[in-house]
Amino acid sequence: KNQVEQSPQSLIILEGKNCTLQCNYTVSPFSNLRWYKQDTGRGPVSLTIMTFSENTKSNGRYTATLDADTKQSSLHITASQLSDSASYICVVSVNSGYSTLTFGKGTMLLVSP
Amino acid sequence: KAGVTQTPRYLIKTRGQQVTLSCSPISGHRSVSWYQQTPGQGLQFLFEYFSETQRNKGNFPGRFSGRQFSNSRSEMNVSTLELGDSALYLCASSLNAGRDGELFFGEGSRLTVL
Repeated sequence: KNQVEQSPQSLIILEGKNCTLQCNYTVSPFSNLRWYKQDTGRGPVSLTIMTFSENTKSNGRYTATLDADTKQSSLHITASQLSDSASYICVVSVNSGYSTLTFGKGTMLLVSP
Repeated sequence: KAGVTQTPRYLIKTRGQQVTLSCSPISGHRSVSWYQQTPGQGLQFLFEYFSETQRNKGNFPGRFSGRQFSNSRSEMNVSTLELGDSALYLCASSLNAGRDGELFFGEGSRLTVL
């Protein structure tokens, strides 16, 4: 069964600190992995999309890594800001004729002043 | 360029009623997909439409249905509402069918069933 597990479920960090969110998946065959940021009460916004051949991708202070061998991804946030407080969702695309998406349940990040 | 527009943003219904939600995709996008988001289950795929045809469907009962119009706007309908249908319903648009392309989400329609 295709699954995406994210950890931790929630995290509180001080403003200015770095943090790393984890995503493990058991999806096959793999097509791509995405990270989304969802502010409370808003729709998710794409941060990165990585294919099998990419092992790191950055978007400003956000850096995603992918290890396709171990089926793990991480999202590293540098110099956190209050506006980083949100839910971060890992999504893996399954390439099975017609691609389907498997969603993680997200990590809720709170950046405290 | 306008984003994905969902209406209504909030609505309250009672059990047994039905509801219709609307989604206008980004101009030029022909694929629209729908998702249900609840605190316990996260985002769950409902269905995807491309060129007025349903291309894929998630594991939801037949009470959940949708359609897409020739201008790519989409609607989803939930009949005989249950308390468990209370959720944020998100619509996403993309340029093409399949979901290897980037998804652009709307702000969602928050449904409360009493």
